[in-house]
Amino acid sequence: QEQLVESGGGVVQPGRSLRLSCAASGFTLSASGMHWVRQPPGRGLEWLTFISPDGTHKYYADSVQGRCTISRDESSNTLFLEMNSLNIEDTAVYYCAKDWAPVDAFDIWGQGTLVTVSS
Amino acid sequence: SSELTQDPTVSVALGQKVTITCQGDSLRIYYASWYQQKPRQAPLLVFYGQNNRPSGIPDRFSGSSSGNTASLTITGAQAEDEADYYCNSRDSNGFHTFWVFGGGTRLTVL
Repeated sequence: QEQLVESGGGVVQPGRSLRLSCAASGFTLSASGMHWVRQPPGRGLEWLTFISPDGTHKYYADSVQGRCTISRDESSNTLFLEMNSLNIEDTAVYYCAKDWAPVDAFDIWGQGTLVTVSS
Repeated sequence: SSELTQDPTVSVALGQKVTITCQGDSLRIYYASWYQQKPRQAPLLVFYGQNNRPSGIPDRFSGSSSGNTASLTITGAQAEDEADYYCNSRDSNGFHTFWVFGGGTRLTVL
């Protein structure tokens, strides 16, 4: 059974950095593209970033370009999202999602981890 | 940047048919995928591509696409279908690939 479990959320001060993790089970990250998506409280979904199966292609939304890095560790089958210079607008539930190529759909989602940026 | 436009709210009487639409230029090239999200839950893929439902999704969910508009139809809406629905598609500007979600449609089953 394919499953994703995010961790690393919490309260972070403005200007600081964070690193979120997404542990995958039931499939291998190196065989799948992966996304990070976030959802501010009471608002809609926002796509943030994608990493290709071979890890060579990484794409970012304009809203986080330059502040955000997607990466993965094959030995632990874990995906990461690092964000710096956090501001209040980064407060959201952060989801990792598996890319179902070639149908361009997000077929497996984690339960999400809440990041609250507050002083 | 690309945008996908959805009606913010839609309502349907129990057992009736409802269509949720999604408009955007990227849909002229790429198929939409559709996600159902209930309160305090992660999104769930309910439809994708030209005419595909993931395993376990009831066949009352169907979809279509024409020009710059994709549609998700629920034929015989049930109380458990009350949720937020989001469309998504890939897009590209020739240099950069990205994905975009619509603003979401809150479906109320009356």
